[in-house]
Amino acid sequence: DAGVIQSPRHEVTEMGQEVTLRCKPISGHNSLFWYRQTMMRGLELLIYFNNNVPIDDSGMPEDRFSAKMPNASFSTLKIQPSEPRDSAVYFCASSFTEAFFGQGTRLTVV
Amino acid sequence: QKEVEQNSGPLSVPEGAIASLNCTYSDRGSQSFFWYRQYSGKSPELIMFIYSNGDKEDGRFTAQLNKASQYVSLLIRDSQPSDSATYLCAVNPIGYGQNFVFGPGTRLSVLP
Repeated sequence: DAGVIQSPRHEVTEMGQEVTLRCKPISGHNSLFWYRQTMMRGLELLIYFNNNVPIDDSGMPEDRFSAKMPNASFSTLKIQPSEPRDSAVYFCASSFTEAFFGQGTRLTVV
Repeated sequence: QKEVEQNSGPLSVPEGAIASLNCTYSDRGSQSFFWYRQYSGKSPELIMFIYSNGDKEDGRFTAQLNKASQYVSLLIRDSQPSDSATYLCAVNPIGYGQNFVFGPGTRLSVLP
């Protein structure tokens, strides 16, 4: 298996623009996680899906953030409108028993 | 509030020494425990998991779990400069499904 695949790897956008991050989990995994990592706050869980259903979205910062998992092989995290404080590395991870991370998307909002 | 705590470091050890990384957790019912290594600019990489009290060895790495003390540790024997990274402890609390709570990480520096 190729592991968890995220795209894009890097994204630079202007404040106010919509940003969509994409994730393909490992086949057979039934849980998917979106994390955000910054130097100040470390690794923060944004949302967690189990069997494509959102279980815990308490970490989503505000209504500007939304996440979907339309099927077992694809998830998106959308930020609309983006703000400079959203600049971070966003990781997707999937698990069956242990969690495996994708390579991350480095988002810069200018 | 589920919490996982680690010393932020940096922890500096000389090459060839044993590095000891520690983690405590608040939820006594936690079932599964994981150690991840994260190199600067890279994603976290799973290196060990442990489910039962006691020690689990994998090469130069040993994970130790003491559920009574709510404590899990990672020992790295014969530390190498390539072990220099941030080590994240993660816990799967009971009732959290397959969710994980991560600690803030300990930065390890192995000096040649």
